[in-house]
Amino acid sequence: GAGVSQSPSNKVTEKGKDVELRCDPISGHTALYWYRQRLGQGLEFLIYFQGNSAPDKSGLPSDRFSAERTGESVSTLTIQRTQQEDSAVYLCASQPGRGKPYGQYFGPGTRLTVT
Amino acid sequence: QKEVEQDPGPLSVPEGAIVSLNCTYSNSAFQYFMWYRQYSRKGPELLMYTYSSGNKEDGRFTAQVDKSSKYISLFIRDSQPSDSATYLCAMTGWGNEKLTFGTGTRLTIIP
Repeated sequence: GAGVSQSPSNKVTEKGKDVELRCDPISGHTALYWYRQRLGQGLEFLIYFQGNSAPDKSGLPSDRFSAERTGESVSTLTIQRTQQEDSAVYLCASQPGRGKPYGQYFGPGTRLTVT
Repeated sequence: QKEVEQDPGPLSVPEGAIVSLNCTYSNSAFQYFMWYRQYSRKGPELLMYTYSSGNKEDGRFTAQVDKSSKYISLFIRDSQPSDSATYLCAMTGWGNEKLTFGTGTRLTIIP
């Protein structure tokens, strides 16, 4: 079946512009996660959705970052007034439900470059 | 100090060798331990998971957890060039949803 998909795969933007990143989870997966991976670094948790609510948004680095999810499907991560330090790969993962933390399936990521 | 420490490498070994990858952690609340493999420009792929201390084997891969030392390992036997990738350890606690990752170890298997 189809895995997690993300779009765009690459995004180059100028400093100060807003960007929107999209994640399509595996159908039926109720949990959705956003992570950020800077060059040479591990994955950094940003936000977790269960359905369309976000019980844990503790990883969002500033109020320039926001995310929403429509029901149990598509999620968008929005970064306003982008800065060069926002350059990273943004990864989305989905999971069938609660209780199995090892069941996260990752998309290929969106590579964001802020010039 | 980071919650999870992992040697970034790079690590190069000849084909057929046994590979040992390791992570240490500081948060005693971590209960679930995972290893992910990430090929270049791809998302991480789950390889192994273990709950609490002990060993788990799956084909050429063995995961070990020593909670008393806060130390986890992944062993790859009979390594193949296709095993060349970045290996990330990840962990989480009971009732927690987010994963805390190590920085990843870049592994190259030389034919």
